[in-house]
Amino acid sequence: GAGVSQTPSNKVTEKGKYVELRCDPISGHTALYWYRQSLGQGPEFLIYFQGTGAADDSGLPNDRFFAVRPEGSVSTLKIQRTERGDSAVYLCASSALGGRASDTQYFGPGTRLTVL
Amino acid sequence: DQQVKQNSPSLSVQEGRISILNCDYTNSMFDYFLWYKKYPAEGPTFLISISSIKDKNEDGRFTVFLNKSAKHLSLHIVPSQPGDSAVYFCAASDSGTYKYIFGTGTRLKVLA
Repeated sequence: GAGVSQTPSNKVTEKGKYVELRCDPISGHTALYWYRQSLGQGPEFLIYFQGTGAADDSGLPNDRFFAVRPEGSVSTLKIQRTERGDSAVYLCASSALGGRASDTQYFGPGTRLTVL
Repeated sequence: DQQVKQNSPSLSVQEGRISILNCDYTNSMFDYFLWYKKYPAEGPTFLISISSIKDKNEDGRFTVFLNKSAKHLSLHIVPSQPGDSAVYFCAASDSGTYKYIFGTGTRLKVLA
């Protein structure tokens, strides 16, 4: 079946602009996660959705970052007033049930965000 | 503070030989561990996992070993193939949560 998909694959924007990154999880997966991977680093947790609700947003760096999942499927990560330090690959993952580590997370290809 | 460390940024191995990738962790609460493989321009792909109730888990050419007392795990690939060339990430978690903590990755190159 289809894996996790993310659009766009690349996004170039100017400092101060607003961007939206989209994630389409594996069909039927109730849990969805966003991670950010900076150059030379491993993915870092941003936010976890269980169904429609954000169960844990402790990894969001500041209030410029926001994510939604209104129907419990597709999710959008929104970044306001982008800064050059926001440049990274934003990865989305989904898992069948969520809530525990053994529920394997499957990752999408990521969106490479470049803020000029 | 890096809770999961992969101290070797890169590793080259001859085709057919064994590849050994290492990972160390500091948080004693971690009891579930995973390895992901990542090709360029793709997302991380799940490879293999291990719970702390085991010290070894095997899946085909891939075996993960866990040494809890040393807070160390390793991934063995035997025999290594050119298609295994990728960046390998170690991840750790507390089994009661969903948050994976990743290392910085090791780039494996398998030479034909």
